[in-house]
Amino acid sequence: SAVISQKPSRDICQRGTSLTIQCQVDSQVTMMFWYRQQPGQSLTLIATANQGSEATYESGFVIDKFPISRPNLTFSTLTVSNMSPEDSSIYLCSVEEGFFGPGTRLTVL
Amino acid sequence: GQQVMQIPQYQHVQEGEDFTTYCNSSTTLSNIQWYKQRPGGHPVFLIQLVKSGEVKKQKRLTFQFGEAKKNSSLHITATQTTDVGTYFCAGGNSGYALNFGKGTSLLVTP
Repeated sequence: SAVISQKPSRDICQRGTSLTIQCQVDSQVTMMFWYRQQPGQSLTLIATANQGSEATYESGFVIDKFPISRPNLTFSTLTVSNMSPEDSSIYLCSVEEGFFGPGTRLTVL
Repeated sequence: GQQVMQIPQYQHVQEGEDFTTYCNSSTTLSNIQWYKQRPGGHPVFLIQLVKSGEVKKQKRLTFQFGEAKKNSSLHITATQTTDVGTYFCAGGNSGYALNFGKGTSLLVTP
């Protein structure tokens, strides 16, 4: 099983700013996924991040708002840009075997 | 696109009663996974079902995957207060991301 860590674990941010979330996996994985879980809701896939190629975004999510990096097989970042209160959510990274990181709880004021 | 429906949305039981949550997909799945999320926590992987008609048990939890690989269920026998949380099913296709159901929130009162 993969062990996944995320940083930061939580943050409170001001409207209009950006936050970069880091995801580290203890083993090499081909595919990494970023999910969003809005308060009281299920998980929604934002994008799939493969090393060496651009991320693939799901409907309703765009690269300008959620730029993703995948510099190697154990690491990825998700940036939430120009934040608004509607971006307040838990952001989770995951790997293809279904293991999730602990999540980043974001509150935008 | 693939949709995964999960019912009920909420379930409140007395400790010792049984509980079942159901999951239905609009398309045939490669596999289905079940997760438990405690309040304030992140989803924790419980199990993956791959074979048509598969049944797996984990102590008081029984997981089933339908013959057509489009539906699944999670049954908890004799619930305990430690079972409280939201149970999500997630439909998967090999190598791709998961499509989550909306979850069933279980409340167990002593």
